[in-house]
Amino acid sequence: AQKITQTQPGMFVQEKEAVTLDCTYDTSDPSYGLFWYKQPSSGEMIFLIYQGSYDQQNATEGRYSLNFQKARKSANLVISASQLGDSAMYFCAMRAGYGGSQGNLIFGKGTKLSVKP
Amino acid sequence: EADIYQTPRYLVIGTGKKITLECSQTMGHDKMYWYQQDPGMELHLIHYSYGVNSTEKGDLSSESTVSRIRTEHFPLTLESARPSHTSQYLCASSEVGSMWSPLHFGNGTRLTVT
Repeated sequence: AQKITQTQPGMFVQEKEAVTLDCTYDTSDPSYGLFWYKQPSSGEMIFLIYQGSYDQQNATEGRYSLNFQKARKSANLVISASQLGDSAMYFCAMRAGYGGSQGNLIFGKGTKLSVKP
Repeated sequence: EADIYQTPRYLVIGTGKKITLECSQTMGHDKMYWYQQDPGMELHLIHYSYGVNSTEKGDLSSESTVSRIRTEHFPLTLESARPSHTSQYLCASSEVGSMWSPLHFGNGTRLTVT
């Protein structure tokens, strides 16, 4: 069975500091993709970053980077230089399955990040 | 700039009413989805579609129905709303055939059934 686990219901970080949000996944498919989304209190889902299972390097996108450890099946999101606007829910998601590109995204339970001034 | 639109943004309606949540996208994506999300909780897939005239049920059982008559339009209907249907409904779309293709989400519809 495929599963995404986010074990941190809530996190606090001081403004301008870095924070790591944890995500572990479980799949038996060799081909899969991992995604992170941000959901502000307004409710929309904003795509942040993607990591493919065959990618050799960790993905980066501006202040976001993905710490991908395939053997541990973890895909942690690192946010550098936190800003007040980073306060939001963060969801880890995975696409896998037969004909992996056809698979649907499954989501973790999310982590609520609060940035303190 | 939103390429996927959901209306209404908020809806408060009485028990037993029929409602349709609208979702349209301008990106030409073949695959579309409906997710249900309670406040502060995870997203659950309730319906998806591979293209015109294709609809599939998701992982979470739902009393809602969907239709896909046009590529850009994927409405969700509840024939008889109940308080248990109170939730946020998120529509999304993506390309087919690409592992890396992210889902693009609309702003959601927050439904309250009284």
